[in-house]
Amino acid sequence: AQSVSQHNHHVILSEAASLELGCNYSYGGTVNLFWYVQYPGQHLQLLLKYFSGDPLVKGIKGFEAEFIKSKFSFNLRKPSVQWSDTAEYFCAVINTNAGKSTFGDGTTLTVKP
Amino acid sequence: GAVVSQHPSRVICKSGTSVKIECRSLDFQATTMFWYRQFPKKSLMLMATSNEGSKATYEQGVEKDKFLINHASLTLSTLTVTSAHPEDSSFYICSAPPSSANEQFFGPGTRLTVL
Repeated sequence: AQSVSQHNHHVILSEAASLELGCNYSYGGTVNLFWYVQYPGQHLQLLLKYFSGDPLVKGIKGFEAEFIKSKFSFNLRKPSVQWSDTAEYFCAVINTNAGKSTFGDGTTLTVKP
Repeated sequence: GAVVSQHPSRVICKSGTSVKIECRSLDFQATTMFWYRQFPKKSLMLMATSNEGSKATYEQGVEKDKFLINHASLTLSTLTVTSAHPEDSSFYICSAPPSSANEQFFGPGTRLTVL
C-alpha cells in the first residue's frame, strides 16, 4: 500500500522567511506527485505537480518542489513567504496503476506579518 | 484545467434523515470518481471509488450501506449519506480524473452538518 508522510505538522514563520515542507512517500511503482493548498474555509487548490522530466517543478505563487527519487521525497519550497501563504498544505501521490490519490496528513503554515 | 462541481455546498439536516450530494464533471467525462471525507484540521481520507456502470469500491472501514454511491452517468456521481448522525458531520469532497490525464480535479466540497 502506498503512504505519504509529511514531517512538519505546524510551521510558524515570519514574513520573508524561507519555507521548506517535507514530503516522503512509500510506493515501489510509478507515481505522480502533487502539492495542494487549502486556504481557510476554501477548497483544495493545486500548487504544482510532477509526472516526469525535470525533477525541479515550479508551481503557482512562487512555490517549487523537487522530486528526489532515491529519497522518495517531494519537498515543497518557497524562498520568501508572505502572510497570505497562511494555509494548510497537502502532499499527495497518485499510484498510476490504481489512479487513487493518497494524501499526507497536511502541514499547517502560519506566517506572522 | 478541468472543472468539477459539487452540490450542495452546505447542508444541514436532522439526525436520521438522508442527504444526497452530487458531483459533476463539467467539461470532461469521468468513468471514475473518488469520494473523500475531511475532518477539521485533518487530511483527506478516501472513502470510495465510484465507477460508471458498476458498483462502487469502498475503502476498508467505510460502510457501503451507510454511504451509498451511484455513478449515474459519465459526468455525475452521487453520494447519499443514509440515516445521518452527528458523527457523519464532515466535509465531503469528490474528485475526478479526466481519462486523458493521470491527475485528479477536485470539487469544492460539501459541508454536512447533522443536528
